[in-house]
Amino acid sequence: EIVLTQSPATLSLSPGERATLSCRASQSLRGSLAWYQQKPGQAPRLLVYDASNRATAIPARFSGGGSGTDFTLTISSLEPEDFAVYYCQQRSDWPLTFGGGTKVEIK
Amino acid sequence: EVHLVESGGGLVKPGESLRLSCAASGFTFNNYDMNWVRQAPGKGLEWVSSITSKSDYKMYTDAVKGRFTVSRDNAENSLYLQMDSLRAEDTAIYYCARILLGNGFGSGYYDYWGQGTLVTVSS
Repeated sequence: EIVLTQSPATLSLSPGERATLSCRASQSLRGSLAWYQQKPGQAPRLLVYDASNRATAIPARFSGGGSGTDFTLTISSLEPEDFAVYYCQQRSDWPLTFGGGTKVEIK
Repeated sequence: EVHLVESGGGLVKPGESLRLSCAASGFTFNNYDMNWVRQAPGKGLEWVSSITSKSDYKMYTDAVKGRFTVSRDNAENSLYLQMDSLRAEDTAIYYCARILLGNGFGSGYYDYWGQGTLVTVSS
């Protein structure tokens, strides 16, 4: 099973600041990684797929990067609605797995 | 507009069964692979099962293999999850999710999700 380790567990930032979230895989994913945002009481929302492709209607302040085993999600300037939990997910191999999540909270 | 609506959740005792349904609309259902993903209360996301568009390939996480069965009815635009021999650790919100960029084996990313249905297994 491919294990995805997200860091940090919690990120405390202010609106307008830059957020950098990390996802490390236990083996190479060759770029087969997605990022999701989840707010309380809501289903997750796809932000980025194949490591760096923004999903439909996702603002340009969200960007993904990385390859192999190390990936990042960057939010260039946090808006109030961006405070949420973020998950990475791999589709490189079965079972499909998610990271444990990073909570971005207001400082 | 794409809509996925789950139903069938509830409170059951260990060892009992439930059948979850997911009604799809707003897209050509029989063109897409579908998955079930769950989330235990206060926890992260866990993939449960995948089914291809023509039901020719199905996959399960080890924790549910032999107890859960995924199926679909393309004529009814519906996805199902038959859950037998339920355990306390199956307690979660169950989401159905549409696969983006399917690879022919049910794997991919999730571009649309339902709002989920809560399954609680407790004596």
